[in-house]
Amino acid sequence: AQSVTQLGSHVSVSEGALVLLRCNYSSSVPPYLFWYVQYPNQGLQLLLKYTTGATLVKGINGFEAEFKKSETSFHLTKPSAHMSDAAEYFCAVSPDGSSNTGKLIFGQGTTLQVKP
Amino acid sequence: EAGVAQSPRYKIIEKRQSVAFWCNPISGHATLYWYQQILGQGPKLLIQFQNNGVVDDSQLPKDRFSAERLKGVDSTLKIQPAKLEDSAVYLCASSDGGKDTEAFFGQGTRLTVV
Repeated sequence: AQSVTQLGSHVSVSEGALVLLRCNYSSSVPPYLFWYVQYPNQGLQLLLKYTTGATLVKGINGFEAEFKKSETSFHLTKPSAHMSDAAEYFCAVSPDGSSNTGKLIFGQGTTLQVKP
Repeated sequence: EAGVAQSPRYKIIEKRQSVAFWCNPISGHATLYWYQQILGQGPKLLIQFQNNGVVDDSQLPKDRFSAERLKGVDSTLKIQPAKLEDSAVYLCASSDGGKDTEAFFGQGTRLTVV
C-alpha cells in the first residue's frame, strides 16, 4: 500500500533562508507525487507534481522538488523564504499510480514558520 | 472561473445530532471528492464520485456517513449521528476526470462536535 511520511511537523526558518521540507514515500507502483500548500482557513493548492520524466520538478512561488527513487524521497525546497510562505505543506502520493490529483494519500503535514 | 464552493464554512453541533455539508464543484467537472481533515493530520479521502456514480467509498464510515450527487453536479455529505471524533474540516474537490488533470479544492467546512 502507498504511504507518505513527512519528517518534521514544524519547520522554522528565517526570511531569506533556504526552505527544506522532507517527504518520503512508499509505493508498490511507479509513484505520482505531489506537494500542496494550505494557508489558514483555505483549501489546498497544488504547488507541483511529479509524474514521469524529469526528476527535478519546478512549481509555483519558486518551489521545486526532486524525485529520488533510490531514496524514496520527494523533498520540497525553495532557495529563499518569504514571509508569505508561512503555511501548512502536504506531500501526497497517488494510491493507484494515476496522475489524477484528486484521489491522493496525504502525509500528516509540515507547518512552515518564517521569522523576520 | 468560479472555484469549488462549500457551505457552511463553520458548524457547531452536539454529539448525536445530524449535520449536512454542501459542495458545488467547478462547472463541467465530472469528478468530485470529499475529504476529512482532522486537526494535525493530512486530508483523508472519504468518497469519490464520477458524475452521479460512486467510484470509491471504501473509507467512508457508512454506519453514520452518507453522500450523494444525484444530478451529477453538486453533492451533499451527511453525518448522522455525529460523534466527537467527527470534528474536522471537510474538504470538497473536483476535477474534469481526465488523466494528468488537477483537482481543485474548496475552502472546506469546519465541523465542531461538542
